[in-house]
Amino acid sequence: EIVLTQSPGTLSLSPGERATLSCRASQSVSSGHLAWYQQKSGQGPRLLIYDASRRATGIPDRFSGSGSGTDFTLSISRLEPEDFALYYCQQYDTLPRAFGQGTKVEIK
Amino acid sequence: EVHLLESGGGLVQPGGSLTLSCAASGYTFRSYAMSWVRQTPGKGLEWVSSISASGDRTYYTDSVKGRFTISRDNYENTLFLQMNSLRAEDTAVYYCARFMDCGGHCAFDYWGQGALVTVSS
Repeated sequence: EIVLTQSPGTLSLSPGERATLSCRASQSVSSGHLAWYQQKSGQGPRLLIYDASRRATGIPDRFSGSGSGTDFTLSISRLEPEDFALYYCQQYDTLPRAFGQGTKVEIK
Repeated sequence: EVHLLESGGGLVQPGGSLTLSCAASGYTFRSYAMSWVRQTPGKGLEWVSSISASGDRTYYTDSVKGRFTISRDNYENTLFLQMNSLRAEDTAVYYCARFMDCGGHCAFDYWGQGALVTVSS
């Protein structure tokens, strides 16, 4: 079973700054079968990135994903006010489809 | 526009049963695999179960095997989760989610708003 560990737990930044979120897998996630989701209070998650680096439909290009194997990164180039939220990574390479524990991006 | 709406959540006693429904609209429901994912403050997001587009293949996380049953009605565009022998640790917000149409290993591209299930005496 693949376990995903996200860091940091909380990221305190100001609008306009760059955010870098990490997701580390306990074993290799083949073919980059990793996604990133954004979640705001009271809502279901929203797909941002799939296949490690592909932006989902309608996602602004300030969001980018990278990585392979066991180390993956979500970057937000310039934080907008609406970007302050929770972010989760998820692997869909093997069952069970595990999620990371989340990174909260908060306003500094 | 794709829309997923869960219903059927509520308070149930330990050992009881509950059935969640997810009404899908805005796309051809019978063409997409679907899943249930739950969320708790303590354990975060947890994949629960998935079902193929036709309904002939189902998958479960170990903690719900033998207790939960996922099914779908492709005529009524509805996904179900029958939950039996409920435990306190099943307390969570349950989301239905749609798999992307990617032909293999796929992420979830649409999620519902969630239904709260509380298991307590």
